[in-house]
Amino acid sequence: NAGVMQNPRHLVRRRGQEARLRCSPMKGHSHVYWYRQLPEEGLKFMVYLQKENIIDESGMPKERFSAEFPKEGPSILRIQQVVRGDSAAYFCASSPLPGLGGNEQFFGPGTRLTVL
Amino acid sequence: SQQGEEDPQALSIQEGENATMNCSYKTSINNLQWYRQNSGRGLVHLILIRSNEREKHSGRLRVTLDTSKKSSSLLITASRAADTASYFCASAVTGGGNKLTFGTGTQLKVEL
Repeated sequence: NAGVMQNPRHLVRRRGQEARLRCSPMKGHSHVYWYRQLPEEGLKFMVYLQKENIIDESGMPKERFSAEFPKEGPSILRIQQVVRGDSAAYFCASSPLPGLGGNEQFFGPGTRLTVL
Repeated sequence: SQQGEEDPQALSIQEGENATMNCSYKTSINNLQWYRQNSGRGLVHLILIRSNEREKHSGRLRVTLDTSKKSSSLLITASRAADTASYFCASAVTGGGNKLTFGTGTQLKVEL
């Protein structure tokens, strides 16, 4: 059973370009979470999705950022018109349907975005 | 202080010694999880402890949770050089769905 897959592992973009980050959850997991980690900091929650639904996007910047988790295919985190401050590691995690009291989230290896 | 703040920020010990890291949080939680992150890598899940549990063990790891003090601790016994990493606590806030709020992390260095 493969773990959470993310690609690309490294992404370099120039200011103003678009960045697309992909995440394939673990088999059997229907819930996906995106987190961002700035250098020397902990992870910050961005968005929580179920298949075809955004459950919680309270951590997403209001502009330029969007996320989706279509019925078929990976979850996509899209950043339009990137700026240098978007440079960070973006981690995806997945879990099965959260039970009472919650459950573990399993993390992918991350995508390191560098904006020149 | 922020939700999920860790103490100490950095810890350096000798191989074979025990390492204790503490985590404090501010609001009611469903569970608290500990993760390890090696430099430049992804996160590895270590232990989940639920709000109605007080202690859990996994191999050389022992986690405690004190909901009255809103704090948790991670103990690594008989540390090894391979334990060198950053350790994060992450809390699932009650009513917050399953999203996690991470602490700032403790950087552990285990020297030979």
